[in-house]
Amino acid sequence: QKEVEQNSGPLSVPEGAIASLNCTYSDRGSQSFFWYRQYSGKSPELIMFIYSNGDKEDGRFTAQLNKASQYVSLLIRDSQPSDSATYLCAVEGSSASKIIFGSGTRLSIRP
Amino acid sequence: EAGVVQSPRYKIIEKKQPVAFWCNPISGHNTLYWYRQNLGQGPELLIRYENEEAVDDSQLPKDRFSAERLKGVDSTLKIQPAELGDSAVYLCATGTVYNEQFFGPGTRLTVL
Repeated sequence: QKEVEQNSGPLSVPEGAIASLNCTYSDRGSQSFFWYRQYSGKSPELIMFIYSNGDKEDGRFTAQLNKASQYVSLLIRDSQPSDSATYLCAVEGSSASKIIFGSGTRLSIRP
Repeated sequence: EAGVVQSPRYKIIEKKQPVAFWCNPISGHNTLYWYRQNLGQGPELLIRYENEEAVDDSQLPKDRFSAERLKGVDSTLKIQPAELGDSAVYLCATGTVYNEQFFGPGTRLTVL
């Protein structure tokens, strides 16, 4: 079992709809969770981080964390073509502050 | 505020040759990470520094890879000798105590 798992996609969503990206992790003691966006040929850029159970909203983005079920998700409302990218989930484990990245989900917003 | 600076942006070498990558962090960021990213994969941590101390180098292939962070600012990652399987993008990231990471543009290494 991978430490951080994401569906590789591609996930195709119509413009204006809600895109839902999911991530599961194996270390039950994980403390911090991050979502990064990576455009093709570019480096990852931080979108959001979340530490506590529940929802955290920032503009069109909402991160959701459920530690009991060991998953974290990212919702993108009113999806735009510019949201087309690979979304990486990163989890800070319980030991030595190791941060593990998933392999990413490729999101495609179709006009 | 200037971002993370990396050089070179691209490097092509023949196997068994040495190569070095350089990273200049965002001012004030004490934490520095080196990652390797293969196509279609997420970044894989090679080494993490807190100031000048390497706090996690468990994933660094120490037989051929080395890194240093003199004075807790700039950092260099070296591979000697390079192998075909080392072809990848090498990313430097810096961060704060909250563990958000800010990535540099990366160095794309091709080993022939």
